[in-house]
Amino acid sequence: EPEVTQTPSHQVTQMGQEVILRCVPISNHLYFYWYRQILGQKVEFLVSFYNNEISEKSEIFDDQFSVERPDGSNFTLKIRSTKLEDSAMYFCASSVTGLNTEAFFGQGTRLTVV
Amino acid sequence: AQSVTQLGSHVSVSEGALVLLRCNYSSSVPPYLFWYVQYPNQGLQLLLKYTTGATLVKGINGFEAEFKKSETSFHLTKPSAHMSDAAEFFCAVSPSGTASKLTFGTGTRLQVTL
Repeated sequence: EPEVTQTPSHQVTQMGQEVILRCVPISNHLYFYWYRQILGQKVEFLVSFYNNEISEKSEIFDDQFSVERPDGSNFTLKIRSTKLEDSAMYFCASSVTGLNTEAFFGQGTRLTVV
Repeated sequence: AQSVTQLGSHVSVSEGALVLLRCNYSSSVPPYLFWYVQYPNQGLQLLLKYTTGATLVKGINGFEAEFKKSETSFHLTKPSAHMSDAAEFFCAVSPSGTASKLTFGTGTRLQVTL
């Protein structure tokens, strides 16, 4: 069964460093998303991406964050200068369309900023 | 604006007992409601969703949920728990069924005991 895959499963980085979280969405999907869950808190929407551009983003998704689809299969989330409060589980998701459709989630990348 | 409240961060039931996981929502527009499940070391998987029509929705693995507009609730039930049901369950709401801008609850961890 097709699935969304994320790498790495766990990443530890020093404060101020740049990190790139990688996702391979399901191949025929056109819409891509990043969500995050800070430990003990709710899963929060970060950004949605369609047709090689951001379609929606939340207040959390500020200038330190960026997304891209560099090669037609990977979908990446870059955090430019990590802060302690960026420590969270980051989930990638994809869907066939953007409306009335199921979003398929990956297993998540746990980011720990020290 | 929309929000989701899940009552009980941990629920423990005996194998064979009824599972009831509570979810209440707040939405300024007719809501689309979802239950996701996360098994250990896996991504978020859609259990079931309510968009329009029948208010009792059946999902995978014997779970079902009933949309009650008057109570702003979307509680998840299963008549008879199985050990394999142990997981974390997330209720979510979306303003239009779009896979983006899902607003999640904090999750309920279900433990099933012998």
